[in-house]
Amino acid sequence: SAVISQKPSRDICQRGTSLTIQCQVDSQVTMMFWYRQQPGQSLTLIATANQGSEATYESGFVIDKFPISRPNLTFSTLTVSNMSPEDSSIYLCSARTGDLVGDAFFGQGTRLTVV
Amino acid sequence: GEDVEQSLFLSVREGDSSVINCTYTDSSSTYLYWYKQEPGAGLQLLTYIFSNMDMKQDQRLTVLLNKKDKHLSLRIADTQTGDSAIYFCAEASPISSGSARQLTFGSGTQLTVLP
Repeated sequence: SAVISQKPSRDICQRGTSLTIQCQVDSQVTMMFWYRQQPGQSLTLIATANQGSEATYESGFVIDKFPISRPNLTFSTLTVSNMSPEDSSIYLCSARTGDLVGDAFFGQGTRLTVV
Repeated sequence: GEDVEQSLFLSVREGDSSVINCTYTDSSSTYLYWYKQEPGAGLQLLTYIFSNMDMKQDQRLTVLLNKKDKHLSLRIADTQTGDSAIYFCAEASPISSGSARQLTFGSGTQLTVLP
């Protein structure tokens, strides 16, 4: 199994600013993902973080708003840019080590509040 | 798109059995998953079932799959206070950007275990 650490665990930010969330995995993983979990709702996949290339974004999410980096097999960052109160949510990093789609590990999440 | 639905809340008495239900729409799903999310923590994979199975048992957990009705359930025997959490079902469905599959989550069921 893999252990995922996310930083920060929570933050309160001013609208118009940007926040970068870090995700560190304790072992090399094949795939890393970023999810958003809005209050009382399910997880929505934002993008797949690709090592050494641009992330693959899901419908409704764009690189200008959510730039993602993945410089190596154990680390990724998600930036929430030009924040508005609608971006208040929990952001979760996830990683997969094998072929089974659901055999995924999750960080504890970053609770973001935009005021 | 694909849809996964769950009831939002369930309360049971300690020692009773809990049954959490889920319906999904993607008939091509090969695996279906159950995750547990405790307060302030990421999701933890509890169990999964392959679509050619009707039932899978793992200690106190029993997963039942009715593929015809696209209905999945998770039964927790002898429910304990430590089982209080949000439970998500998920299916692996095609992502918008390619042929690979990704997880589609239900909205989660908040299980409260009363003493």
